[in-house]
Amino acid sequence: QKEVEQDPGPLSVPEGAIVSLNCTYSNSAFQYFMWYRQYSRKGPELLMYTYSSGNKEDGRFTAQVDKSSKYISLFIRDSQPSDSATYLCAMSYTGANNLFFGTGTRLTVIP
Amino acid sequence: GEEVAQTPKHLVRGEGQKAKLYCAPIKGHSYVFWYQQVLKNEFKFLISFQNENVFDETGMPKERFSAKCLPNSPCSLEIQATKLEDSAVYFCASSQSLEGQPRIGENLANYGYTFGSGTRLTVV
Repeated sequence: QKEVEQDPGPLSVPEGAIVSLNCTYSNSAFQYFMWYRQYSRKGPELLMYTYSSGNKEDGRFTAQVDKSSKYISLFIRDSQPSDSATYLCAMSYTGANNLFFGTGTRLTVIP
Repeated sequence: GEEVAQTPKHLVRGEGQKAKLYCAPIKGHSYVFWYQQVLKNEFKFLISFQNENVFDETGMPKERFSAKCLPNSPCSLEIQATKLEDSAVYFCASSQSLEGQPRIGENLANYGYTFGSGTRLTVV
């Protein structure tokens, strides 16, 4: 079993829709949670960073962490065609040697 | 600079040839990481450095892969005798810390790892 599981999609939504992306994990030590966006043929760029449980909002993006369920989510409101990309969750913990990535969900927002 | 610079962008090698990839991390970032991204977006961790020192190389196939981060030089990842299965995009990332928490400043730009644009290696 992988430490971080993510539905690869693909996910297609119409412009303006609310998008929900999710990851589950098995290691209860994870305490730092990230969402990266990766456009085709580019490197991942950090979208959201959350420490421990709770919600974090930044513009149209909201990240949620539920440590009791080992479940994290990224919500995108009023989705735009420019949001079309692959979204990767990543997580870590103090003492870890690197980030643990999900496999990414490919999102397409249709105009 | 404020970006991780990777060169070359594309590299084509015949099976058995050597491949060398370069990465200039962000100044002030103590940690450098190499990841291999293959089909289905799987990110495989290869190696990490703390300054010039190898920190964790548990992901490296040591018989053919080697990496260095020398002072005042770009970091490098070298593959001797490439195989077809080495075809992938190799990403370099740098960070102020292993877990992505910033050591300096609270700007989001200081969190997480900053990735380069990758080197696409094709072995034919």
